[in-house]
Parts: sequence; C-alpha cells; structure tokens
Amino acid sequence: DIVMTQSPDSLAVSLGERATINCKSSQSVLYSSNNKNYFGWYQQKPGQPPKLLIYWASARESGVPDRFSGSGSGTDFTLTISSLQAEDVAVYYCQQYYNAPFTFGGGTKVEIK
Amino acid sequence: EVQLVESGGGLVKPGGSLRLSCAASGFTFSTYTMNWVRQAPGKGLEWVSSISSSSSYIYYADSMKGRFTISRDNAKNSLYLQMSSLGAEDTAVYYCARANLGFDAFDVWGQGTMVTVSS
Repeated sequence: DIVMTQSPDSLAVSLGERATINCKSSQSVLYSSNNKNYFGWYQQKPGQPPKLLIYWASARESGVPDRFSGSGSGTDFTLTISSLQAEDVAVYYCQQYYNAPFTFGGGTKVEIK
Repeated sequence: EVQLVESGGGLVKPGGSLRLSCAASGFTFSTYTMNWVRQAPGKGLEWVSSISSSSSYIYYADSMKGRFTISRDNAKNSLYLQMSSLGAEDTAVYYCARANLGFDAFDVWGQGTMVTVSS
C-alpha cells in the first residue's frame, strides 16, 4: 500500500500570509504513460464533507480560488495558499489515486495566527 | 444539480450488520466509478471501497475485506455498502464519493451518514 505522510500536522498563519503543506508518498504516483501524477488535495471544513481542490497534483478544480496551488511530482508534493483568508481555516488532506487502496494523508489543520 | 445523498446509518451493536445507501442524481451515474470513504470522530479520512461503473472492478481496504461488500444498481442510480461483523473501530461518518471520469480524483461527495457501533 502507498503511505501518504503529511507535514506539518497543524500550522497557524497570519491573514494574508502564505501557508505551505507538504505530502510525501511512499512510492511514485506518476503514471508514465500519460505523465500525470495521480494525486490530489482536499479541504474539509468542520461539519462538512471534503472538497476537491487540486487534482493531478497541480490542476485546480473548477471554482477553486487561484490562491490555492499545487506542485510536485513523483513522491513529493506541496499545497500552497498564497494569501490566507479567514474562510481557508480547515483541515487539508492529500490523497493518491494511483492504485487501490486510495490512501489519504493524515491531514493538516490550518488556523489563523 | 449533481448530488449524492447517503442513508442507512444508525446505532448498531458490536457484531451486527448495517446496509448503507447512496442515491445519486444530476449526472449519469452508470458511467462513474464510485467510492466509500469514512471518517472516525475527530480523525482523518479513510478510503473504504471502490466499484467501477459496471461493477467489474471492486477494491477494499484491507481492514474491510471479508466484512464489507460494495455494490451498485445503475438502474436505480444507487450505491450500497453492506457492512457486517461491525466493531467499535467502524464507528464513523461514511461518505460516498464520485471519481471524476477524466482525472479520477473524488470530485463529488455526499454529506455522509453516521454509523455508531456500541452496546
């Protein structure tokens, strides 16, 4: 099974400042035939289901603000919130959908400093 | 509107069984791979099971194999999860989620149904 390791577990960032979350997979999730990383980021606010933010490691889902960006390839990935807004307070999860089981990272809680 | 609505959760005794349902609307259900994901209280997300559009491919997390059965009825636009031999560790909110046709990430989620295993 592919293990997804997120860091940090939590972080507090001032409004308008940058937040960076990292995720490492135990094996590559880059599919060589199409050069796509089968990797995504989700946001979950309290009492709500998860919401897809980023797929293929760097493609923003429709309607997601452009302050959210994803980068990385292979085994190392990053989610960046360029200018943290109050509504971005949430837990963020990474996930690989390269092969089953489609594992999630442990989550990173983002708060306002 | 694209929507997934779970039902069937509730309180069940240890060792008991429960069947969850997920009703899909607003999209062509029969063409999508569907998933169950769960979240224990205060914990992270855990993928449970996946079923392809025609039920040809089915996968389970190791801890659910032999106890959980995923199925679907494309004529009824419905996804199911039959759970048996339930233990306290199965207490969680269970979400159904759609895998996007183009990029496979889980792009539509239901609101979830709570399963509590307790005597």
